[in-house]
Amino acid sequence: AQKVTQAQTEISVVEKEDVTLDCVYETRDTTYYLFWYKQPPSGELVFLIRRNSFDEQNEISGRYSWNFQKSTSSFNFTITASQVVDSAVYFCALSEANSGYALNFGKGTSLLVTP
Amino acid sequence: GAGVSQSPSNKVTEKGKDVELRCDPISGHTALYWYRQSLGQGLEFLIYFQGNSAPDKSGLPSDRFSAERTGGSVSTLTIQRTQQEDSAVYLCASSLELTGRNYGYTFGSGTRLTVV
Repeated sequence: AQKVTQAQTEISVVEKEDVTLDCVYETRDTTYYLFWYKQPPSGELVFLIRRNSFDEQNEISGRYSWNFQKSTSSFNFTITASQVVDSAVYFCALSEANSGYALNFGKGTSLLVTP
Repeated sequence: GAGVSQSPSNKVTEKGKDVELRCDPISGHTALYWYRQSLGQGLEFLIYFQGNSAPDKSGLPSDRFSAERTGGSVSTLTIQRTQQEDSAVYLCASSLELTGRNYGYTFGSGTRLTVV
């Protein structure tokens, strides 16, 4: 069963628009970690953020913000004032204690930002 | 080194041959993971090593796949009798500890394996 669902396969926006990437996860662990990674066309996976299950505080880093809600098992990612350089595939991932903290990735959302 | 280094970056092999993929983690990182990224399957976990503990091989797709980590550092992923469905990008990641505290997991650039 898919533990991380990224329902949006592809999103296309015009530069300066805000965009939210959705991530819904499934776990029975009380201790788990959630991640977002960016994979630009060059192919390398770039770490963006890690949250643990005990910290629901939302986080903002520049134009990026993350909304973690345990009640809905969601960890959504918003890019404000998108830029062409934000074009990439974005992966949400879950790691759980009972699976050795291996990253369980969603299928990814391909974001295209056009000028 | 400064990052996770993987070699070769590209490998083309004939069906039925064995291949070895190498990963040099960041110095001092105790946890090392192998993942596979293919068009049809997305990013799949293969195996992880944590310190001197026995590796978790639960993600390996068949007994043709094996991995070892020597001296708690360099890791080699071996695929025997390669099949066309093994074609994928093989990614290695390392972290300071099992949970990827604070810094997450740092990924290498991957090895693109093509089986012809």
